[in-house]
Amino acid sequence: QQQVKQSPQSLIVQKGGISIINCAYENTAFDYFPWYQQFPGKGPALLIAIRPDVSEKKEGRFTISFNKSAKQFSLHIMDSQPGDSATYFCAAISSGYSTLTFGKGTMLLVSP
Amino acid sequence: EAGVTQSPTHLIKTRGQQVTLRCSPISGHTSVYWYQQALGLGLQFLLWYDEGEERNRGNFPPRFSGRQFPNYSSELNVNALELEDSALYLCASSLGDRIQETQYFGPGTRLLVL
Repeated sequence: QQQVKQSPQSLIVQKGGISIINCAYENTAFDYFPWYQQFPGKGPALLIAIRPDVSEKKEGRFTISFNKSAKQFSLHIMDSQPGDSATYFCAAISSGYSTLTFGKGTMLLVSP
Repeated sequence: EAGVTQSPTHLIKTRGQQVTLRCSPISGHTSVYWYQQALGLGLQFLLWYDEGEERNRGNFPPRFSGRQFPNYSSELNVNALELEDSALYLCASSLGDRIQETQYFGPGTRLLVL
């Protein structure tokens, strides 16, 4: 029940296109859903996060869509750029004494 | 403001040896987390320390252990190394035990076990 399932495992998008990464969870106690971006040789960095009381959050070219009833959330990267090429992890956590549960990651390649 | 720092950056050990990895959190952060990132397995939670105490532990054998010092820095110890321990070990820190949502990661220590 602690799992977060992420898809696809890898994604190739042309420059200017939309990248979409999906995640699903089972634990209804999760109440915070961050996305992390990781470049090769670096640690993950927080990109954007959402709470289940909103259905969408946008920061620049990055948007999280959240469907509480379906227990799914997704990351959309608009106007994808080669500099966005990285591994993206979704994660989830519930308040209190718990820890982040990560998806297995999506390797995104944006071709020039 | 300095980020999370980890040392060493790379390490090569042989099976059966022991290793100690170090982490310094962001100034003011009291919680430290350790993760293992093995190829194809994503980030697996190892340990969580806050105010010097172990708060939670992931599904790893007891040969993975650690501690947190009074200055909030932390060590991860791995005994009796096995080949499958080869991975990137990431440390993260956050403001406190109830605000662990925003975790800031260090660059990691890459461990190779031969």
